[in-house]
Amino acid sequence: DAGVTQSPTHLIKTRGQQVTLRCSPKSGHDTVSWYQQALGQGPQFIFQYYEEEERQRGNFPDRFSGHQFPNYSSELNVNALLLGDSALYLCASSLASFGNEKLFFGSGTQLSVL
Amino acid sequence: ILNVEQSPQSLHVQEGDSTNFTCSFPSSNFYALHWYRWETAKSPEALFVMTLNGDEKKKGRISATLNTKEGYSYLYIKGSQPEDSATYLCAAKNFGNEKLTFGTGTRLTIIP
Repeated sequence: DAGVTQSPTHLIKTRGQQVTLRCSPKSGHDTVSWYQQALGQGPQFIFQYYEEEERQRGNFPDRFSGHQFPNYSSELNVNALLLGDSALYLCASSLASFGNEKLFFGSGTQLSVL
Repeated sequence: ILNVEQSPQSLHVQEGDSTNFTCSFPSSNFYALHWYRWETAKSPEALFVMTLNGDEKKKGRISATLNTKEGYSYLYIKGSQPEDSATYLCAAKNFGNEKLTFGTGTRLTIIP
């Protein structure tokens, strides 16, 4: 049973560019959440997708957008990259239920913006 | 704004010793508290999800307690082993909110 997979594992971009990160959830999971972890901080919630719709969004600008596909996989897009977007981006999947389901995390995509 | 704090930030413990650390969160509108273990070069792994005041959960040598009235949770590790070295993250969720708010973690190093 494959767990949560993310691609790519590492990425280097320059300021102003656009990036797309990908996530496949654990088999049987229908909800995908994205988190950003900057150095020295805990993971910060970006948004959550369920049934192909953004269910909730954290305090991130509109440059951060996402998508969920019918097979529950998800993409995170970041436009007009800034140096401050350099971080580890984590994808987590879960089952939509009463909201106390544990998250299963991927190993993350390390994004460096130069 | 939900603010989750963890202490200490880092901890060095001799192999075989027991240890514990704290997660504090606002008690109002509380819904659930999660603990995750994050080993270097791996993915965060769920340890416990706790919702009820007074709840205690155990997994091997690791256990956790929850006090929702005063807004804190303790994680205990009994007889620390080198494989316990990791960052331990807690995260809280409020009612009507899908967002998990994480603390900055406690980095535990076990000294052989």
